Amino acid sequence: ILNVEQSPQSLHVQEGDSTNFTCSFPSSNFYALHWYRWETAKSPEALFVMTLNGDEKKKGRISATLNTKEGYSYLYIKGSQPEDSATYLCAFSPNTGNQFYFGTGTSLTVIP
Amino acid sequence: KAGVTQTPRYLIKTRGQQVTLSCSPISGHRSVSWYQQTPGQGLQFLFEYFSETQRNKGNFPGRFSGRQFSNSRSEMNVSTLELGDSALYLCASSRSTGPETQYFGPGTRLLVL
Repeated sequence: ILNVEQSPQSLHVQEGDSTNFTCSFPSSNFYALHWYRWETAKSPEALFVMTLNGDEKKKGRISATLNTKEGYSYLYIKGSQPEDSATYLCAFSPNTGNQFYFGTGTSLTVIP
Repeated sequence: KAGVTQTPRYLIKTRGQQVTLSCSPISGHRSVSWYQQTPGQGLQFLFEYFSETQRNKGNFPGRFSGRQFSNSRSEMNVSTLELGDSALYLCASSRSTGPETQYFGPGTRLLVL
């Protein structure tokens, strides 16, 4: 069973603060790392898929980095807004089959 | 383009019954994966179907089964329901099998009494 861990489990920040979360995954058999954003009562929404060591992706105020050698990815949110409040999930894809292994997520609450 | 749809959205069953959940993928997507989420757990992979064939299976008992039709729609069946099967069941579709982005439906929330 592959272990994907996310930290912190939850986070409360003030509007305008920048924040970051961590996703740790196995460094062997790596194929891809995915980030999703999941708002309450909605479907998980794909943010990024990263496949290469050193990859950096950006979408508006959200960005992500990838280190496959040490098995971690960071998600950054710059200038958090209340609408950023959601659970952020990462998912690891090994090169041994089309199976996503999800972490338990980081729940972000942005306080106006 | 319509997103992934799942029916029903909510379901209440009793122990011992069986249930069938349905998932319609995004048009043109041929891979459908199913996940279970229980409180405190991450999304747990159930299985993936591609071109009507099960390609991958997670670590769930045989009571959990699925199938995919020629139009890529998929169904998931759980027989002999147990209280622990109460969960949110999500399906996700992608264009092909492989670790490309999966697009999720809104889920079916199942409560087993």
